[in-house]
Amino acid sequence: QSVLTQPPSASGTPGQRVIISCSGSSSNIGSNTVNWYQQLPGTAPKLLIYSNDQRPSGVPDRFSGSKSGTSASLAISGLQSENEADYYCAAWDDSLNGWVFGGGTKLTVL
Amino acid sequence: QVQLVQSGAEVKKPGASVKVSCKASGYTFTGYYMHWVRQAPGQGLEWMGRINPNSGGTNFAQRFQGRVTMTRDTSISTAYMELSRLRSDDTAVYYCTRDQIWGSFDYWGQGTLVTVSS
Repeated sequence: QSVLTQPPSASGTPGQRVIISCSGSSSNIGSNTVNWYQQLPGTAPKLLIYSNDQRPSGVPDRFSGSKSGTSASLAISGLQSENEADYYCAAWDDSLNGWVFGGGTKLTVL
Repeated sequence: QVQLVQSGAEVKKPGASVKVSCKASGYTFTGYYMHWVRQAPGQGLEWMGRINPNSGGTNFAQRFQGRVTMTRDTSISTAYMELSRLRSDDTAVYYCTRDQIWGSFDYWGQGTLVTVSS
C-alpha cells in the first residue's frame, strides 16, 4: 500500500488530453512539493516534472503538473503512442522522514 | 554528460549481503546527494535512502534502518549501497539516482538486478 495514491491505469487516444491524479496527506503533498517520473518499459525512470510544475530541459510542454491541497495532477496533452509508460508521483513525507512514491499509473494509448 | 554506471547483476542466498556500486561521471560528485531507489518485479518505486557524498552523512527509509549501509569513495566518484540479511522479497532492481533539487531525481543509473534465492 503506497503512501501516495494513484489510479493503477489510465488511457486515451492519440491527440487527447489525459490527467493522472496523485492523492496524499498533510504530511507529504500538503506541505511539500511533488515530482513526477515517467518509466518506459525496461528502462530507468525519467524526471518529468519537479517542484509541482517545473519541467526539466528537454521535456515537452505537452506535460504539465499542478498541485492543490493534498493532491497533485499530471496532465499530458496531445497524447502520442510514445507516451505509453508508467507514471509515478513522489514527495517528501514529514512523518516518515523520507521520500514516498505513488503506486504508479500505467498509461495506455489506444 | 552526466552518467551513473552501476555494477552488474547479483544472485544471493537468503541471509547474505549485497553491495551495489554506482560510478558517477560528468559532474562534481560531491555536489549532489545520491539516492537509492528499488523496484521489485512488476511493482512500483521504493525510496531506500540517500548519502551526502561530501560529508558521508546518510538518511534511510525507516523500513531499511539497521539493514542498509550507504558509503562513498570520493577519489573514484563512486557511491555504494549494501543491504544485509537479504530475504526473497528483496529481489528487485536497485537504482542509484542523483538529487537535482530536494528529491527531484534528474539522472538515474541503469539499474542492478539483485535476485535473492535459495
